[in-house]
Amino acid sequence: KNEVEQSPQNLTAQEGEFITINCSYSVGISALHWLQQHPGGGIVSLFMLSSGKKKHGRLIATINIQEKHSSLHITASHPRDSAVYICAVAGSARQLTFGSGTQLTVLP
Amino acid sequence: DGGITQSPKYLFRKEGQNVTLSCEQNLNHDAMYWYRQDPGQGLRLIYYSQIVNDFQKGDIAEGYSVSREKKESFPLTVTSAQKNPTAFYLCASSILTSGSPRQYNEQFFGPGTRLTVL
Repeated sequence: KNEVEQSPQNLTAQEGEFITINCSYSVGISALHWLQQHPGGGIVSLFMLSSGKKKHGRLIATINIQEKHSSLHITASHPRDSAVYICAVAGSARQLTFGSGTQLTVLP
Repeated sequence: DGGITQSPKYLFRKEGQNVTLSCEQNLNHDAMYWYRQDPGQGLRLIYYSQIVNDFQKGDIAEGYSVSREKKESFPLTVTSAQKNPTAFYLCASSILTSGSPRQYNEQFFGPGTRLTVL
């Protein structure tokens, strides 16, 4: 079974800082999700990627398949970015294995 | 608007009672999933269904039951056999790519139901 490790577990930043959240996994995957969960609990998909890099606004996600590692970057962070960020990987059988999440707090 | 709805948002039940959580989607997705989330842990798969009238157990199915009588609906019943039912429950759905059993398709998540057992 795939294990997914995220770091850090908690992250506090000042508004405007560049933020990086890391995700490592143990076996081969077909895709990797970055998800955002706000205090109300609902989950929004930020990125789904299987190679390279994707960018959406101030968010950038990269993946290195050989090293089994992905990063989520937030540029010019803002208090509204405060949320839990979750990495999830899709192995065989179309199922997701989730990391335990990174709680991000951006202070004004 | 297409999406996934879960109701209710908050649910309280007395110990020993069964309770059913609703999940409806109008995305015309074939596959639907139920996850459980506990503090400090990743989401864990309870049950999933890839087609009407068929479903499979996930990693933590004990104490839960599901049905899939309609494509749009995948209700989850938390039975009295579930020893620690207090948790946040998330429903998700995705398309399926016929002929590609290993292909992952993006899952879309509902807003969740927070169940508290009193």
